[in-house]
Amino acid sequence: GESVGLHLPTLSVQEGDNSIINCAYSNSASDYFIWYKQESGKGPQFIIDIRSNMDKRQGQRVTVLLNKTVKHLSLQIAATQPGDSAVYFCAEGMGGGSQGNLIFGKGTKLSVKP
Amino acid sequence: ETGVTQSPTHLIKTRGQQVTLRCSSQSGHNTVSWYQQALGQGPQFIFQYYREEENGRGNFPPRFSGLQFPNYSSELNVNALELDDSALYLCASSLEGLPRGYTFGSGTRLTVV
Repeated sequence: GESVGLHLPTLSVQEGDNSIINCAYSNSASDYFIWYKQESGKGPQFIIDIRSNMDKRQGQRVTVLLNKTVKHLSLQIAATQPGDSAVYFCAEGMGGGSQGNLIFGKGTKLSVKP
Repeated sequence: ETGVTQSPTHLIKTRGQQVTLRCSSQSGHNTVSWYQQALGQGPQFIFQYYREEENGRGNFPPRFSGLQFPNYSSELNVNALELDDSALYLCASSLEGLPRGYTFGSGTRLTVV
């Protein structure tokens, strides 16, 4: 498939290390934030989300941290594996229901070296 | 249960032509959103269809239009194609428009020459 990662910031990590991917968001009124993983030739895949009234949320091998003071979001991936290689996007949204469109960040390409 | 399917996967059109892209939503989902993803960029919201009506639109001109059918599948139409319309077009379906429940298709890669 065609790469979606051209000209993106790149993070290169060794297999087994932890990865931290950062994102600055734009709208202080956003209600929730979502991290997506996009592999080459595929659509974005949901990883984890966090609501604006939370600071931290953990999933399986992933943790999302939210700092509303500086409008910063991070995704931590523990024990990074080659299968984690992809482009990662943060997205912010407001409300829900019928107008829950998302605003995506520019993305970070994660490259995992075996 | 099937996921979101989009067709065609790749398409080449000439500037000035019109194009129709199709999306079949995931079973049980009644909302479809369309996004445009230029190479090296994040997806940008085009519009959303909920129960067959447009319900939210991003910063795209009127030559981008769509339809949603009773079975919740959807079409994206683009008239008077421009070179800058070259992109990956993504469809995402959800239940009641809740983005946490978005399921994205693999997209249609449109090239305008």
